[in-house]
Amino acid sequence: DQQVKQNSPSLSVQEGRISILNCDYTNSMFDYFLWYKKYPAEGPTFLISISSIKDKNEDGRFTVFLNKSAKHLSLHIVPSQPGDSAVYFCAARGGSQGNLIFGKGTKLSVKP
Amino acid sequence: DTGVSQDPRHKITKRGQNVTFRCDPISEHNRLYWYRQTLGQGPEFLTYFQNEAQLEKSRLLSDRFSAERPKGSFSTLEIQRTEQGDSAMYLCASSLLRSQRTDTQYFGPGTRLTVL
Repeated sequence: DQQVKQNSPSLSVQEGRISILNCDYTNSMFDYFLWYKKYPAEGPTFLISISSIKDKNEDGRFTVFLNKSAKHLSLHIVPSQPGDSAVYFCAARGGSQGNLIFGKGTKLSVKP
Repeated sequence: DTGVSQDPRHKITKRGQNVTFRCDPISEHNRLYWYRQTLGQGPEFLTYFQNEAQLEKSRLLSDRFSAERPKGSFSTLEIQRTEQGDSAMYLCASSLLRSQRTDTQYFGPGTRLTVL
């Protein structure tokens, strides 16, 4: 039973446009959410995070939105660049536990 | 400022052999995590340490798996009597726990294990 779901396995976007990656979760005890980017044969690279007490966090081209009532978060990348092409993982941390629970990832392709 | 390092990057072994992986966290990070990732899945939690204490283990961590973090620095993950189902990418992450709300984990490059 997946607690963190990324329902779109893949997304294709034109360079310069906005990329929107979505993530849903089921456990209301999750208090911290993170997005990671992963290239093949490498470990995940931290992108941006958001605490459950906020609804938006921005860092350069990356913005994460959190809708706690809908148990939904999204990552916006504006403008998208070909170098953004990778697999993006949404992760959530539950309460006092340290471990992260990951979604299955969304493969983003940004076409020149 | 070095990141998390893992050694080896790749390991090919025969079924039934024992393997050991090493992880060196970011210096001064007090938490260290091990995850496993298989094709098409996100990383799955195995175990974590706060300093030298192993605080939590996943049910994925069978009795063939053992992890240590002596002196609260580097960590090792050992798999005994490897099985083909153990083939995966083994990821290590570390974090500095300042507050529960900002415990960001940084990952190493992983060790790719192939069991023949």
